[in-house]
Amino acid sequence: AQTVTQSQPEMSVQEAETVTLSCTYDTSESDYYLFWYKQPPSRQMILVIRQEAYKQQNATENRFSVNFQKAAKSFSLKISDSQLGDAAMYFCAYRSGGATNKLIFGTGTLLAVQP
Amino acid sequence: EPEVTQTPSHQVTQMGQEVILRCVPISNHLYFYWYRQILGQKVEFLVSFYNNEISEKSEIFDDQFSVERPDGSNFTLKIRSTKLEDSAMYFCASSEIRTGGYGYTFGSGTRLTVV
Repeated sequence: AQTVTQSQPEMSVQEAETVTLSCTYDTSESDYYLFWYKQPPSRQMILVIRQEAYKQQNATENRFSVNFQKAAKSFSLKISDSQLGDAAMYFCAYRSGGATNKLIFGTGTLLAVQP
Repeated sequence: EPEVTQTPSHQVTQMGQEVILRCVPISNHLYFYWYRQILGQKVEFLVSFYNNEISEKSEIFDDQFSVERPDGSNFTLKIRSTKLEDSAMYFCASSEIRTGGYGYTFGSGTRLTVV
């Protein structure tokens, strides 16, 4: 079974600085998708960025980018120029490319942004 | 931007009572999901629903749970006889298609408190 591990329960970053959140996963599949979701205090789950495993190029969305290392099964999220509004819980998630369409989530990393 | 709407935002119920959580997915989406998040824990998949039937469910989704799309717009989760351990945040989500690297759109959640 696939698993997703986020080893950093909490992180802190100064406003305008860069922070990297770690995520590793375990799978025997070659076709899958990876996601980062943000959960602010409002509790809504917001998609931040996605990565297809077959793509070698790392996904970017404005200030958010990933470092996808397929061989190492690593999928870290980099937030550049951190803003106060980035403070949230961040979840890494895995989705198989096969028959199942459920998301498997990590335990989350709580990011604090210091002014 | 289209949203997934969940009602109520917070529900308190007595142990043993039936509760129905409601969701209005995005109108052109075909796949619907329920996830739950026990306070402080990771988000867990409950069930996915397509073409008026369950396409996948987790071991959490036992006979106490059921889902329904009663009128073509609402998507409901029913818990027949609530237990204390059902207290959690319940998220509805929808997606346009099953395959591909598309993330879901999540609702804001319903906080269920069983007393």
